[in-house]
This record gives sequence, C-alpha cells and structure tokens, in this order.
Amino acid sequence: DVKVTQSSRYLVKRTGEKVFLECVQDMDHENMFWYRQDPGLGLRLIYFSYDVKMKEKGDIPEGYSVSREKKERFSLILESASTNQTSMYLCASRPGQDSYGYTFGSGTRLTVV
Amino acid sequence: GNSVTQMEGPVTLSEEAFLTINCTYTATGYPSLFWYVQYPGEGLQLLLKATKADDKGSNKGFEATYRKETTSFHLEKGSVQVSDSAVYFCALSSGYSSASKIIFGSGTRLSIRP
Repeated sequence: DVKVTQSSRYLVKRTGEKVFLECVQDMDHENMFWYRQDPGLGLRLIYFSYDVKMKEKGDIPEGYSVSREKKERFSLILESASTNQTSMYLCASRPGQDSYGYTFGSGTRLTVV
Repeated sequence: GNSVTQMEGPVTLSEEAFLTINCTYTATGYPSLFWYVQYPGEGLQLLLKATKADDKGSNKGFEATYRKETTSFHLEKGSVQVSDSAVYFCALSSGYSSASKIIFGSGTRLSIRP
C-alpha cells in the first residue's frame, strides 16, 4: 500500500524553538506539498516542491522554510516557532499527471507553548 | 482564478438517510474533480474522482457526476451509516504543469445519528 509518512502525530514545542516536520513518501512522486489546517480556515498551502531541491511558495509561507534534498523526503521548518503556528500540518504527494489526486499523510498536530 | 464552493455544514442526518453535499467550481479549461474525506484526527483520503465531463466517480457507496454544463460535482449516497461521519472536501485540479496544485473547498462536516 502506498504511503506518505509524517514523522510525528503530536508535537509540543516552545516559542522560539526551531522545529522540523518530516514527510516521506514511497511512491516516487515528483510533487510534494505542505498544508496547515485550522478550524474555519480550511486547508492553506504553505510550500510545495516539484523536484529535488526545487521549491515554490504557497499562500502562507511566512515563518516557514522547506528542504527537499531527496525525492522521497520533504521537510517543513519553522525557523522560530510562535504560538500562532499551533496547527495541524498535513503533507501530501502527487505524481506529475494532473488526473491524479494527492496522497496525504496522517498529519502532525503541533502545539507551540 | 480557480475556486471551489461547497455547502456549509454541519449536516446532520439519521442513519439510512439520503445524502447530498453540493459542490460547484470555477475553473478554466477542463479540470479534474475530487472528493476527499477526513475522519477525526486523521489526514485526508481520496474518496473518488472524475477527470472529464459526464464521468461518474464512485467508491464505498458514494457517487459524484462531473457536470460541465452546471460546473458541479455533487456528492451523493443513498443510505448513510454512522461510520460515514467525517468532514468531506470537494477539490479540483486544472494545472497544466506537473506541479499543479489542488484547490480545496472549505469542507462540510457530516454527522450521522444512529
């Protein structure tokens, strides 16, 4: 069964910490995405990547960066965590063809205290 | 730009009732259309999809037909179960590059009473 695996289901971090959220897919997909999901705001795209070492800003990139050194791994980095980054973070991957949907990971619920 | 509008929830139904969740879209060209489901505490799962006009996607008793003339992709199920309680997202993809993003609706929370 194909999978997108997010390294943690729950994380609690302190304000100002540098936080790494890891995502790995085993489907050889070209494209990978990071979203955050908040009540009443739906899914908001933070960053995406269409190839190794390539990245594009999404709708809300401020306060985040990403890294994609290998095709299967896409990391989201919170440079200095703040309480307004408390959220559910969802990673997704997708092959190049437009008719295919995303495969999502199970999500990481991050709490910044 | 591209967008998806779906009916606001929450929707509460009794078990075995008929379900319709409305979804309309705005897009250039010929988008692919999707329904995703999110169970509590989990990520989103692809429920069904349709990639061209008049296609019908189906899975687990759910169906949706791609209607280009009305720009709609309504989700239906003939007899819902308690286990169908979840949040449902309508979505579209109309990119022409390999990095095309999927645009999601705001989600509709469905609750089924026993």
